[in-house]
Amino acid sequence: ETGVTQTPRHLVMGMTNKKSLKCEQHLGHNAMYWYKQSAKKPLELMFVYNFKEQTENNSVPSRFSPECPNSSHLFLHLHTLQPEDSALYLCASSQVVLAGAVEQFFGPGTRLTVL
Amino acid sequence: AQSVTQLGSHVSVSEGALVLLRCNYSSSVPPYLFWYVQYPNQGLQLLLKYTSAATLVKGINGFEAEFKKSETSFHLTKPSAHMSDAAEYFCAVSDATDSWGKLQFGAGTQVVVTP
Repeated sequence: ETGVTQTPRHLVMGMTNKKSLKCEQHLGHNAMYWYKQSAKKPLELMFVYNFKEQTENNSVPSRFSPECPNSSHLFLHLHTLQPEDSALYLCASSQVVLAGAVEQFFGPGTRLTVL
Repeated sequence: AQSVTQLGSHVSVSEGALVLLRCNYSSSVPPYLFWYVQYPNQGLQLLLKYTSAATLVKGINGFEAEFKKSETSFHLTKPSAHMSDAAEYFCAVSDATDSWGKLQFGAGTQVVVTP
């Protein structure tokens, strides 16, 4: 595997289900990100992790719970979601440096549908 | 605080014609600027980035962008459109003082290429 991988690619769940999204980066990066991409809206940054520490939580509802067990893996645990949570969830990683433009590398995303 | 505005949510161009996608930003500090492309059912891929080294930036697939501070713009161009350029394009800005490189994305411009 190369780059950033995400599983599953598609997920359909009911509002009472619990599921998890998985992201793995094979680039040796030290930061990972979760984004939500909804139709006709800009990408929304949800969480940022660096060195396994969460450095950003953009007022995301508690029904979304991130987990970063090491610098290569990032999970997004989902429970009691709402239909408006249906979206494409993108994971990204980057190598953060002290200065300079930081390019983020994106996975293909998980298309989530909440019924 | 920073933000990005992309003018035009949809652009239709003829094959072989000029592609011009507009991006304006607002930032209280010198920004880094990026253009990403998203093909159907894929994640985002970096086309090019501005890091203050040169105002005219060349990227992949024949795209280039020019940073104009006086106009707070970073428009993306390609002299001759190919059918393979049909995709969604996102402009993004990051604060040069943000060590974690968080990106603020525009709403995106969908490009359709007609034969």
